Amino acid sequence: KAGVTQTPRYLIKTRGQQVTLSCSPISGHRSVSWYQQTPGQGLQFLFEYFSETQRNKGNFPGRFSGRQFSNSRSEMNVSTLELGDSALYLCASSIPPGLPTPTDTQYFGPGTRLTVL
Amino acid sequence: DAKTTQPTSMDCAEGRAANLPCNHSTISGNEYVYWYRQIHSQGPQYIIHGLKNNETNEMASLIITEDRKSSTLILPHATLRDTAVYYCIVLTGTASKLTFGTGTRLQVTL
Repeated sequence: KAGVTQTPRYLIKTRGQQVTLSCSPISGHRSVSWYQQTPGQGLQFLFEYFSETQRNKGNFPGRFSGRQFSNSRSEMNVSTLELGDSALYLCASSIPPGLPTPTDTQYFGPGTRLTVL
Repeated sequence: DAKTTQPTSMDCAEGRAANLPCNHSTISGNEYVYWYRQIHSQGPQYIIHGLKNNETNEMASLIITEDRKSSTLILPHATLRDTAVYYCIVLTGTASKLTFGTGTRLQVTL
């Protein structure tokens, strides 16, 4: 079974631009979570989508947004990029508890390395 | 979610077993112990998880003490490709907001 895929793998943008990152979950997984990882802050939760609805949201400004499509693929968008947005953006997919597993094991993609100049 | 404590770094000779400890003394009855690892600049890789019983899969074994306050991840025959940062986390089955601590940096050497 194919793993979580993320595109693009690397991206260079300048301040003020916007960016859209894409995530395709493992087949059959309906929940997609997004994370930002930086050396200083570690892994930080952005948001989670399930059945095209945002189920949880982390503590990030409104410049960070996301959506999920009917095929469970997800995108996240960052508008008005700042230097501090440079990070590895990770997507993780899972089968929500009870459907059919009792735990929400998350499987990560390779990430998108975003550099903001 | 309960806090975990792991050693900052460990070394292991290739071919030997790597035993990575984790303390989670405040774990609740409904919280699972999960292990992930992250090879430099790659996405975290799920290894194994457990609730009470010891678990084994193709990658590793997880030994959880009877009081569930600590656990050990065992890589039975470490290879150079197992060099990574290993994260032990504790969370409920429904938790979606993963948080990694500083983890244990495992260096496998020849």
